[in-house]
Amino acid sequence: DVKVTQSSRYLVKRTGEKVFLECVQDMDHENMFWYRQDPGLGLRLIYFSYDVKMKEKGDIPEGYSVSREKKERFSLILESASTNQTSMYLCASSTIGTANEKLFFGSGTQLSVL
Amino acid sequence: QKEVEQNSGPLSVPEGAIASLNCTYSDRGSQSFFWYRQYSGKSPELIMFIYSNGDKEDGRFTAQLNKASQYVSLLIRDSQPSDSATYLCASWYQGGKLIFGQGTELSVKP
Repeated sequence: DVKVTQSSRYLVKRTGEKVFLECVQDMDHENMFWYRQDPGLGLRLIYFSYDVKMKEKGDIPEGYSVSREKKERFSLILESASTNQTSMYLCASSTIGTANEKLFFGSGTQLSVL
Repeated sequence: QKEVEQNSGPLSVPEGAIASLNCTYSDRGSQSFFWYRQYSGKSPELIMFIYSNGDKEDGRFTAQLNKASQYVSLLIRDSQPSDSATYLCASWYQGGKLIFGQGTELSVKP
């Protein structure tokens, strides 16, 4: 069974902390994505990567960075967490040539920044 | 203007009725469109995609695409309470981004 695994389901951090959200996929997918989901705003793309060590900004990259050192792993980093980064974070992956390919999502990480 | 727009609802329909969910997009270069369903507390799951003008049917679901009007819709026939969820419209944009609308909450009343 194909899988996208996010390391934590719930996470509570304090303002100013450095936060790492980890995502691992076992489908040998080239593309990986990080979204955040907030009520009334839908899923908003933070960053995506189409290859190892490659990254592209999405629509809301401010305050975030990413790392993709291995094909199967895509990490989202909050350099200095702030309360407005409290959200549900969803990781996803897909194969290359994605015009008609679906995204496989992880189960999400609910991050609370206090 | 948002790249992909949906009426956030909630949309309420009685069991057995047709639910109609709508989506508009801003980029005329968009080639393919997706409908994801998301149950409360769960991750989105793909239910249909469409890239040609016209209708595409899959069981109780029909996706409709009108590129001239930049409009995508999803019809759910014989709606069931188990169809109650948030439905997300999405489109691939240049540069490899899949952009989602804000989602429409559907409630099917028994």
